[in-house]
Amino acid sequence: AQTVTQSQPEMSVQEAETVTLSCTYDTSESDYYLFWYKQPPSRQMILVIRQEAYKQQNATENRFSVNFQKAAKSFSLKISDSQLGDAAMYFCAYRSPTWGETSGSRLTFGEGTQLTVNP
Amino acid sequence: NAGVTQTPKFQVLKTGQSMTLQCAQDMNHEYMSWYRQDPGMGLRLIHYSVGAGITDQGEVPNGYNVSRSTTEDFPLRLLSAAPSQTSVYFCASSFGGTGNTIYFGEGSWLTVV
Repeated sequence: AQTVTQSQPEMSVQEAETVTLSCTYDTSESDYYLFWYKQPPSRQMILVIRQEAYKQQNATENRFSVNFQKAAKSFSLKISDSQLGDAAMYFCAYRSPTWGETSGSRLTFGEGTQLTVNP
Repeated sequence: NAGVTQTPKFQVLKTGQSMTLQCAQDMNHEYMSWYRQDPGMGLRLIHYSVGAGITDQGEVPNGYNVSRSTTEDFPLRLLSAAPSQTSVYFCASSFGGTGNTIYFGEGSWLTVV
């Protein structure tokens, strides 16, 4: 079974600065998908960024980018020019490539990192 | 754009009561699932469905039942509520295929006293 670990329960950053959230995972599969979700106090789950394991290039979405190290099984999220609205819980998630009745390709989540943005 | 709709948003139950959390999506997604989120933890999969008439257990299925009679709806039934089922519940859906984005509902806060 796959596992996802976020070793930083809490992080803080000054507004306009850069912060990196860490995520490691364990899998025996060679192809899979990785995601970062943001959960503000409203509890809504918002997709921030996704990465396909077969792609060498790191995904980027505006101020959000990832550092995907497949051999090390590491998937960190970098937030540049941090804004007050970035304050939230961030979850790293893994999705298996296996699809069908026995799998359904579930998401496996890490424990989350609570990000505080200081003005 | 309704997306994934969950009802109710808040519910208080007494131990031993039963109830159903409703989930509906209007995106014609084959895949639907239910997760629970406990304090200090990520979401954990309860049950999922890859299409109408097909359901299976996830990581924490005990105490819950599901059915999928239509593509749009995927209700979660609590058979006999226990305080350990106090949690926030999320319904999610996506198109088939693992590369597709999973969309989440806004969550249902359930307290069992």
